[in-house]
Order: sequence, then C-alpha cells, then structure tokens
Amino acid sequence: KAGVTQTPRYLIKTRGQQVTLSCSPISGHRSVSWYQQTPGQGLQFLFEYFSETQRNKGNFPGRFSGRQFSNSRSEMNVSTLELGDSALYLCASRAVRNGGYTFGSGTRLTVV
Amino acid sequence: GQQLNQSPQSMFIQEGEDVSMNCTSSSIFNTWLWYKQDPGEGPVLLIALYKAGELTSNGRLTAQFGITRKDSFLNISASIPSDVGIYFCAGQRETSGSRLTFGEGTQLTVNP
Repeated sequence: KAGVTQTPRYLIKTRGQQVTLSCSPISGHRSVSWYQQTPGQGLQFLFEYFSETQRNKGNFPGRFSGRQFSNSRSEMNVSTLELGDSALYLCASRAVRNGGYTFGSGTRLTVV
Repeated sequence: GQQLNQSPQSMFIQEGEDVSMNCTSSSIFNTWLWYKQDPGEGPVLLIALYKAGELTSNGRLTAQFGITRKDSFLNISASIPSDVGIYFCAGQRETSGSRLTFGEGTQLTVNP
C-alpha cells in the first residue's frame, strides 16, 4: 500500500511569489490534514479536508489556503510568500474512524 | 500556537539503556499519539492511545495514556542505534476535531 505522497520534495521561491504543494493520501483515506513544521514553532496545524470540504482550520493568515479533490488528493497554496513561510510542510491522511495519522515526507519550502 | 509540554528536550544515552519521555498539558485530550521523525522525513506513528489509563506496547516501545487525560509517557527499552531521532507526542481534543497538538519533541541520541 503506497504511503502519503507529497510533491515536490524541495522548493525555492522568492518573496512575494505564490506556491502550490500537492498531497496524495493513502488509497481509501478521505481525511487530509496539513501541518507546518519550523524550528521555532514546531508542528502547527494548518487545515483539514474531508470529502472536498474544509473541516477544520488552524491559526494561519488567509494567504494559506487549500482544497481537496474528489479523489481525495489535496493541494495547499501560499500566496505572497514571506521569509517566515520557510518550513517543512507536512501532509497527513487517515481513514475514517482511525485516529492514527500517516504523514508524508513533506515539502521543504525555502523562501529567499 | 499552543503546544504540549514535552520533556526532556534531548537525551544522550548508551546503547542498551532504557529511555523515558513524557508529555503534559493543562487540557484534557481524548487521544494521544507518539511519533518518531528522522531527518528529512515526516513523522512516523509509533503508538496510538485512545482511553485513559491505556497501556500499549509496540515491540520495545511502551506508551501510556494518563488517568487524568492530561499526560502521556513513552518508554523505550534496550535502546539501539536506530532509535536515534526526534520523538513527538501529539494530542487530539474532542473540542478541536481532528486537529493534533504536538509537543516540542525529544531529540534522542544513542551512543553505540
């Protein structure tokens, strides 16, 4: 069974640009969550999608957005990038009624 | 953002020694999860706990869900070099939906 796949693995962007990250959950998993990991703030919840609907949202500015497609694949978008957005962005999926979240390897975003 | 209080922050031990780390919070959680993260990878789920007082093992790892539902601990017995990594606790509150709140992590170093 394939794990959670995130693309790309690494990304370098310039301040002010926007970026889109992709996540393919484990087959059959309908819930997808996104987290930001930085040395200073640790792992912070961004949002969760289930059946194409945002079900939960963390305390991040509106520049951070996401969506989920009918095949459960998800994307997150960050607009008007700031230096502080440099982080490892992690996607996690889980099956319904299973509390264990499986994480992907993440996308390392560097904003210069 | 709010995080769980995880201790210790780092540990340096000899191969074969036992390890103990814990997480505490002022809030009640209905699920506790323990993850291990290797450099450049996403967190990998080690143990999931769903009931207060629950004690669960996974090989040399044992974790417990505190009776008060405000804490959890993880023990690793007879450590080996591949146990090196960062260990995170994560809690899920009934009032926060699927959102996970993470501890700051425990960096474990095992000397052969």
